[in-house]
Amino acid sequence: IAGITQAPTSQILAAGRRMTLRCTQDMRHNAMYWYRQDLGLGLRLIHYSNTAGTTGKGEVPDGYSVSRANTDDFPLTLASAVPSQTSVYFCASSEFGGADNEQFFGPGTRLTVL
Amino acid sequence: GQNIDQPTEMTATEGAIVQINCTYQTSGFNGLFWYQQHAGEAPTFLSYNVLDGLEEKGRFSSFLSRSKGYSYLLLKELQMKDSASYLCAVMDSNYQLIWGAGTKLIIKP
Repeated sequence: IAGITQAPTSQILAAGRRMTLRCTQDMRHNAMYWYRQDLGLGLRLIHYSNTAGTTGKGEVPDGYSVSRANTDDFPLTLASAVPSQTSVYFCASSEFGGADNEQFFGPGTRLTVL
Repeated sequence: GQNIDQPTEMTATEGAIVQINCTYQTSGFNGLFWYQQHAGEAPTFLSYNVLDGLEEKGRFSSFLSRSKGYSYLLLKELQMKDSASYLCAVMDSNYQLIWGAGTKLIIKP
């Protein structure tokens, strides 16, 4: 059982390019999340999805979009990358989008935008 | 605004006990989580508190005081593998996790 996988592991991207970060989970969790983690800051929620077919905006959604066509996949797209989007991106999932639900994290994608 | 405060870095000795504090101010409260994150890896769940008091799980314990907006993570019998960052996170009224910046714990032999 893989849990949550993310691809790519790392990427260097030219500013202005479009990029999709992939996230797949095999735990049949209903809720999925995208976070970015920057040095000195806590994890910040970009977008989330409480169930397939629905998505919501987190704390820092600008410049990012997501889709949730099925339970397992939750891709994050940067339409036109900018240097401030250089970060480590973590995808996570939980059984439900509720209070006591532990979130399970993928291994992360390290993205550098030049 | 919403705020989670925890020390940036702490140092402790192998075999000792260390307490990592977390204070929070959030819009609503639906529980507090502690996660461990080793360098270059993903966060992993340690504990969840929603009621006041102490929750013990092996060498790790977590305490919550909702009236004080305060929690701590207590690590006993420290091992070198406990060297990691410890992240405090509060679930707010919208059921979204608000994260602290993390406390880097350095264990010395």
